[in-house]
Amino acid sequence: EIVLTQSPATLSLSPGERATLSCGASQSVRNNYLAWYQQKPGLAPRLLISAASTRATGIPDRFSGSGSGTDFTLTISRVEPEDFAVYYCQQYGNSKTFGQGTKVEIK
Amino acid sequence: EVQLVESGGGLVQPGGSLRLSCAASGFTFSTLWMSWVRQAPGKGLEWVANIKGDGTEIYYADSVKGRFAISRDNAKNSLYLQMNSLRVDDTAVYYCTTDEWHGIFPSWGQGTRVTVSS
Repeated sequence: EIVLTQSPATLSLSPGERATLSCGASQSVRNNYLAWYQQKPGLAPRLLISAASTRATGIPDRFSGSGSGTDFTLTISRVEPEDFAVYYCQQYGNSKTFGQGTKVEIK
Repeated sequence: EVQLVESGGGLVQPGGSLRLSCAASGFTFSTLWMSWVRQAPGKGLEWVANIKGDGTEIYYADSVKGRFAISRDNAKNSLYLQMNSLRVDDTAVYYCTTDEWHGIFPSWGQGTRVTVSS
């Protein structure tokens, strides 16, 4: 099983700042099949990024994904008030596993 | 618009059984893989099981293999999860999701809560 480790656990930012979230895999993710989701309290997760860098339909371009192999990054160029949430990475190259999440909170 | 509506959650004793349902609409149900993903209270996400559009391929997470069974009825646009031999650590919100492009989850239901407790 591929284990995904996200860092940091919590990111404290002010609106307008840049957010950089990391996701490390215990082994190389086949075809860079790595996705990112956003989850707000009491709601289901929402798909943001697939295949490491492809934005899902309707996702603002301030969200971008990068990386390959075992190291992946989600960047929010300028955090908006609605972006404060928990973010999960997920690999789907070998079965499907999720990271433990990074909480982006208001500083 | 894709809609997924789960039902069937509730409180059950350890060792008991429960059957979850998911009613799908807004897309051609029979053409898509579908998955169940769960989230324990205050915890992260865990993929549970998935099933191909025609029902001919099924996969499970090791944590539920032999206890849970996923199925679908394409005539009713419905997905199911039969959960047997339930354990306290099966307590979670269970989400029905579409499963596309080799394993991403673009569409989610609102979730149904399962609590396993004596």
